[in-house]
Amino acid sequence: DTAVSQTPKYLVTQMGNDKSIKCEQNLGHDTMYWYKQDSKKFLKIMFSYNNKELIINETVPNRFSPKSPDKAHLNLHINSLELGDSAVYFCASSQSQGSYGYTFGSGTRLTVV
Amino acid sequence: SQQGEEDPQALSIQEGENATMNCSYKTSINNLQWYRQNSGRGLVHLILIRSNEREKHSGRLRVTLDTSKKSSSLLITASRAADTASYFCATEPGGGTYKYIFGTGTRLKVLA
Repeated sequence: DTAVSQTPKYLVTQMGNDKSIKCEQNLGHDTMYWYKQDSKKFLKIMFSYNNKELIINETVPNRFSPKSPDKAHLNLHINSLELGDSAVYFCASSQSQGSYGYTFGSGTRLTVV
Repeated sequence: SQQGEEDPQALSIQEGENATMNCSYKTSINNLQWYRQNSGRGLVHLILIRSNEREKHSGRLRVTLDTSKKSSSLLITASRAADTASYFCATEPGGGTYKYIFGTGTRLKVLA
């Protein structure tokens, strides 16, 4: 009965590979997000979708492409992975674009070697 | 630079003591939220305070907001070892961006 679930939890891959992270929420929320947390615990927003529409698209490399097939799912595809992409990626969801707080997934730890 | 910055960066206290963390931000906000992150886990929403509120309570948590100083504080009373975690504030800079920006976090360690 997990509210926001991400898969995989851990991802180790070589430079240059393409990988995807999936996120699903069963809370009925209308907005979903991707955040990146670096080694210093700094959280930075990457993307946000509201009812399948992209509403936040921060300055991230074009290698990162989100996709929301429906409002319960938000996936993140990363092309040509680089060492600097190593981080923990968090999916989150909210109702009314965050006015009542976010619910976070448990994160995907991506390690690029 | 970050919208929100927590202070102190790290805090170590004995079980039973109170813990106070502060958050400063730069622009006007609609609301401010506090989150907790246990090691290796996602963030958990603790409390939300709106810009027209000055104080809010939830169990052992007390949050204050001073919009004139652009600052907020989170007080955890009678701390427990289970409160050991990182605490983040998140603010929406306003203007309907709906883009919550997280601070740098305070790492709290409660010693049993």
